[in-house]
Amino acid sequence: DGGITQSPKYLFRKEGQNVTLSCEQNLNHDAMYWYRQDPGQGLRLIYYSQIVNDFQKGDIAEGYSVSREKKESFPLTVTSAQKNPTAFYLCASSQGDGPTNEKLFFGSGTQLSVL
Amino acid sequence: AQSVSQHNHHVILSEAASLELGCNYSYGGTVNLFWYVQYPGQHLQLLLKYFSGDPLVKGIKGFEAEFIKSKFSFNLRKPSVQWSDTAEYFCAVNVRGTGRRALTFGSGTRLQVQP
Repeated sequence: DGGITQSPKYLFRKEGQNVTLSCEQNLNHDAMYWYRQDPGQGLRLIYYSQIVNDFQKGDIAEGYSVSREKKESFPLTVTSAQKNPTAFYLCASSQGDGPTNEKLFFGSGTQLSVL
Repeated sequence: AQSVSQHNHHVILSEAASLELGCNYSYGGTVNLFWYVQYPGQHLQLLLKYFSGDPLVKGIKGFEAEFIKSKFSFNLRKPSVQWSDTAEYFCAVNVRGTGRRALTFGSGTRLQVQP
């Protein structure tokens, strides 16, 4: 089945530790996105990539880093500089140019908690 | 920066009641508008979208939304809700011509339908 796979489902981070969240898609989509979901705040954009080997900061990029070395993969690293990392992280992808292709497909998410 | 406001954070309705969820956006340019839904335990999925043309758009499961440009609004409606409509609903927007395809989401509205 085509889709977006996020792993792990649950992740725990110790103080001062970097952790990496995985996102893989087999939809052959060009664009991929990372959002953070907090209760009462909706989804906030962390980073996005519209093509391989290129990515842009979103609205809350501080304390996060990404890479896009392969079309199907867009891992997110939560660094020790992110002081409030506890949240639900959603990865998404979309295909093509033009407004008719702006449909995002979402993964099932990773819940990150601080120990 | 563009922003999306959803003023109803938590709505409780009885089955067969009518639903209207408010969504306002802040940007004055040409926008694409979306409603996404997150059912309990499921992925976020697209409910409906507006790109151009008829300002009244129909989506899945009997939902519709009306784009009112003069009010910067894109309210979601359903004439008669069902218990299965219990979910969290997110309005989202992206602005054409900026090069940024990522969506900006509102804070979400949690709908609880009582049988």
